[in-house]
Amino acid sequence: EDKVVQSPLSLVVHEGDTVTLNCSYEVTNFRSLLWYKQEKKAPTFLFMLTSSGIEKKSGRLSSILDKKELSSILNITATQTGDSAIYLCAVRAYNAGNMLTFGGGTRLMVKP
Amino acid sequence: ETGVTQSPTHLIKTRGQQVTLRCSSQSGHNTVSWYQQALGQGPQFIFQYYREEENGRGNFPPRFSGLQFPNYSSELNVNALELDDSALYLCASSLAVARSTDTQYFGPGTRLTVL
Repeated sequence: EDKVVQSPLSLVVHEGDTVTLNCSYEVTNFRSLLWYKQEKKAPTFLFMLTSSGIEKKSGRLSSILDKKELSSILNITATQTGDSAIYLCAVRAYNAGNMLTFGGGTRLMVKP
Repeated sequence: ETGVTQSPTHLIKTRGQQVTLRCSSQSGHNTVSWYQQALGQGPQFIFQYYREEENGRGNFPPRFSGLQFPNYSSELNVNALELDDSALYLCASSLAVARSTDTQYFGPGTRLTVL
């Protein structure tokens, strides 16, 4: 059974800090790893990483896939209060249709 | 905003009742997936519909069923509600080409409370 574990469970930082969120996975026939941000209800898509695209960056957010360690990190630099959210990591496997297996999420709170 | 809409936004039911949740996918998307997110947990895959047929199912009992319509909108039906069914139900749409799907975009969810 595919498994995704995220750490830490929660994190409190101050504006301007840099944070690193971790995601490790066990999946048969790995296809891709996705990061989502969930503020109130709808998870919003951040990045998708695959074997052919192991590093992505968008503004202050960046993510790296470590295929050897079966893990990924999400970095947020110069955090802002608007970054407060739950960050979800999910993996997708070949031959699993569209099914995403999610981790439990990391709750980030950024204080002013 | 992803263009995926869900209704209702929240509802309250009692044990044993039945519920129907609705989802309209983003324009141009032909695949809909449903997820259950219990409080404090990540979403769990229920099932996916592609071209009006169930195309993948997670570890959920048969009392969870669904439909996809020709316009690609979808329904999730849950019979014989149990207290543990209380959760946020998320719908995600994506575009599948030759059964290979793109990134999934989520709707705002329906918060179901079972008393």
